[in-house]
Amino acid sequence: DVKVTQSSRYLVKRTGEKVFLECVQDMDHENMFWYRQDPGLGLRLIYFSYDVKMKEKGDIPEGYSVSREKKERFSLILESASTNQTSMYLCASSSQTGTASGNTIYFGEGSWLTVV
Amino acid sequence: AQSVAQPEDQVNVAEGNPLTVKCTYSVSGNPYLFWYVQYPNRGLQFLLKYITGDNLVKGSYGFEAEFNKSQTSFHLKKPSALVSDSALYFCAVRVVNSGNTPLVFGKGTRLSVIA
Repeated sequence: DVKVTQSSRYLVKRTGEKVFLECVQDMDHENMFWYRQDPGLGLRLIYFSYDVKMKEKGDIPEGYSVSREKKERFSLILESASTNQTSMYLCASSSQTGTASGNTIYFGEGSWLTVV
Repeated sequence: AQSVAQPEDQVNVAEGNPLTVKCTYSVSGNPYLFWYVQYPNRGLQFLLKYITGDNLVKGSYGFEAEFNKSQTSFHLKKPSALVSDSALYFCAVRVVNSGNTPLVFGKGTRLSVIA
């Protein structure tokens, strides 16, 4: 089974802190994604990556950056956390083999971030 | 542009009754369609997807969905609901041959199955 692991399930950080959310997948997937989930807003894409050292902005990249130094790891960085970044963050991955656009995206269990 | 609409924020159904969670989509081209389920404090789990072929797709936990091209819909169904089906359900779409573009998700529908 595909496993996407988000190392921190629950975090509490102070305003202005630099926050790292780590995600690792074990299926050699090329694509990795970071989403944010808020009540009533569904899932919103922050950043995604098609390959090592590559990144693309999603719908709400402001206030975030990402790092993909290794294929299996995709990190989300909040340079200076703010209270409006309190949310559930979901990492996901998918393969580029076969019919890439028909491939399933697999999600991690999520990281609950509270910024106080 | 791609979009997905889940017209109901909440669906309530009695245990044992059939359930339907609605999804309509808008794409330029042919769609790949997905359903995911999210239990409390968990990530999204893949339920089923329509790629090609039979319009009726069967997935995990007894769920199925029917692709209707003329109505641009992909409603999720189950013949007999269980209390354990209570969760948040997301529909998602991607255009065929769009490569690695991300899925576009609906806002989700909360299903509550009452014993």
